[in-house]
Amino acid sequence: SSELTQDPAVSVALGQTVRITCQGDSLRSYYASWYQQKPGQAPVLVIYGKNNRPSGIPDRFSGSSSGNTASLTITGAQAEDEADYYCNSRDSSGNHRVVFGGGTKLTVL
Amino acid sequence: QVQLQQWGAGLLKPSETLSLTCAVYGGSFSGYYWSWIRQPPGKGLEWIGEINHSGSTNYNPSLKSRVTISVDTSKNQFSLKLSSVTAADTAVYYCARNRGFINIDYYYYYMDVWGKGTTVTVSS
Repeated sequence: SSELTQDPAVSVALGQTVRITCQGDSLRSYYASWYQQKPGQAPVLVIYGKNNRPSGIPDRFSGSSSGNTASLTITGAQAEDEADYYCNSRDSSGNHRVVFGGGTKLTVL
Repeated sequence: QVQLQQWGAGLLKPSETLSLTCAVYGGSFSGYYWSWIRQPPGKGLEWIGEINHSGSTNYNPSLKSRVTISVDTSKNQFSLKLSSVTAADTAVYYCARNRGFINIDYYYYYMDVWGKGTTVTVSS
């Protein structure tokens, strides 16, 4: 399968830790990348590879992977982390297709 | 600091052809793949296709019959054409830079630079 599956919505109390997951067969070969998207804005890369953060991304964002599941963890969630989060990888079946998860709406309570 | 600037017609009638262009500023154009992604109102991201500096393309199978992505290396630009549009093609369209490589036995793939997006509405 070339699909990536995410929970549609997750909530977290301010300052607590939250994990957003992404499942798919391609994740057995590809590290997932993660994007944060706020309303009316373009997506922003927050995690790529094994656990890499682009410059400017706070270190409360981290990534991990096991088998066919990738996770984005926010340790000490802030109000400004409320956003949609998408995972992404290439299809591992060799057809070069790129796939996105359906997105997870994170609410910070 | 690489920046992507995109533009194109924002209002189309059904059956017309969508045309968007993305220009790359402040960095190398060669050595990367460049993607188009779209997002219908209230929905998730959908990859449309990609191209590299030599013109090699990959397309989403669900759109392949209607999509053409081209490149103009003299201007560091790449373009998207989507033919026979319908209301279902109404979306924000983004361009982005792809990065990809293999490290030991795992592949990396990500889009590290994005354009601001162009809203395209298809309506009669």
